[in-house]
Amino acid sequence: KNQVEQSPQSLIILEGKNCTLQCNYTVSPFSNLRWYKQDTGRGPVSLTIMTFSENTKSNGRYTATLDADTKQSSLHITASQLSDSASYICVVRSNFGNEKLTFGTGTRLTIIP
Amino acid sequence: GAGVSQTPSNKVTEKGKYVELRCDPISGHTALYWYRQSLGQGPEFLIYFQGTGAADDSGLPNDRFFAVRPEGSVSTLKIQRTERGDSAVYLCASRDGNTGELFFGEGSRLTVL
Repeated sequence: KNQVEQSPQSLIILEGKNCTLQCNYTVSPFSNLRWYKQDTGRGPVSLTIMTFSENTKSNGRYTATLDADTKQSSLHITASQLSDSASYICVVRSNFGNEKLTFGTGTRLTIIP
Repeated sequence: GAGVSQTPSNKVTEKGKYVELRCDPISGHTALYWYRQSLGQGPEFLIYFQGTGAADDSGLPNDRFFAVRPEGSVSTLKIQRTERGDSAVYLCASRDGNTGELFFGEGSRLTVL
């Protein structure tokens, strides 16, 4: 069964600090992996999309890594800001058949001043 | 607008009633998805449309749930004989056929009393 597991479930850090969120998946065959940011009460917004051949991709203070061999991805946030407080969701797409995506349950990140 | 639009943003109804949730995708996006998100959880797949047809409806929980997209643009998710367990945020997303990126609406929060 395709699964996406994220850790930690929740994280609280001080403003200005860095943090790393983890995503492990068992989706096969793999097509791509996306990280989304979801503010409370809002829809998810895409941060990065990574394909099989990409190891690292940056979007401002967000850097995503992908290890397709170990089926792991991480999202690193540098110099956190209060506005980074949100849920971060890892989503993996399979090449097989339909367009169903497998979502992780997310990491709830809280930045405190 | 340029984004995915969902209406209503909030819907409160009584157990046993019928509800319709509407999604207006980004113009030109042929792929449209419906997801359901409970508090503290990641989005759960319901149904995927490619054009006018439901390419995958395996996520619909039971026959009380139905979705249509008659002209390949706007989609309506219909829930009959609502139950308290149907309370959730219903998210709609459309996909850019060139980049593969998903764009989510802000969701419709359904509360069944």
